[in-house]
Amino acid sequence: ETGVTQSPTHLIKTRGQQVTLRCSSQSGHNTVSWYQQALGQGPQFIFQYYREEENGRGNFPPRFSGLQFPNYSSELNVNALELDDSALYLCASSLWDRLYGYTFGSGTRLTVV
Amino acid sequence: AQTVTQSQPEMSVQEAETVTLSCTYDTSESNYYLFWYKQPPSRQMILVIRQEAYKQQNATENRFSVNFQKAAKSFSLKISDSQLGDTAMYFCALEVNAGGTSYGKLTFGQGTILTVHP
Repeated sequence: ETGVTQSPTHLIKTRGQQVTLRCSSQSGHNTVSWYQQALGQGPQFIFQYYREEENGRGNFPPRFSGLQFPNYSSELNVNALELDDSALYLCASSLWDRLYGYTFGSGTRLTVV
Repeated sequence: AQTVTQSQPEMSVQEAETVTLSCTYDTSESNYYLFWYKQPPSRQMILVIRQEAYKQQNATENRFSVNFQKAAKSFSLKISDSQLGDTAMYFCALEVNAGGTSYGKLTFGQGTILTVHP
C-alpha cells in the first residue's frame, strides 16, 4: 500500500510566476485536501477535492486553484506568486467518510524570491 | 469558526519520563473530531491519536493518551516513557463533522516543539 506522494520536494520561483504542485493520493483514497504551512506555523486549509470537484475552501484568494483527476491524484496551482506564498504545501488524502483518518505527504517546500 | 490554541511553543523532557502537551479549542458545533499529529524533520504529518467528541472515554494509543475535557474545551496529550524518536513538532487539530464542505478541513494549532533529551 503506497502512501501520499508529492512532487517536487523543493521549488524556487520568482515573484509573479506560476507554479503547479502535484499529489498522488494513497491507494483507495478518493478525497484530497491541500494545506499551506508557513515556517514555524500550523498548516492552513486551502481546499479539498472530491469526485474531481472543489468541496470546501479556506481563506485563500482565487489565484490558488486546483484539480483532481479520475485516478484521484491532484494538482495545486498558484498564479501570480507573492513572497508570502513561500511555505511548505502539504497534501492529505482520505476516504470520503474519513473512516481511517488522513494520510499526509511530506510536502513541497516552495520558495518565492 | 473554529480555533485551536497551543500555549506551549516548546517543551523538553528526559528520556523515559512523562510529558503533557496542552491544547484548547473553540467551536460551536457539537459533533467534531480532535487529533494530535506529529511532524518530525521529515515534514510528514503523522497521526498520533484521534478522539471523537461524542465519546467520553479518553483515547489511548500505546504510550500516548489524551485528557479530553469537553466542557472546558481542552484536549491534552500525555506521552509516557518518552523516547528520543518522539522529538518532533506536535500539532493539535480539530475537524468539525457538520457534513458537506466541513469535510477535510482540519484546523491546526500553532504547534509545540518537543525535545526528548537522553
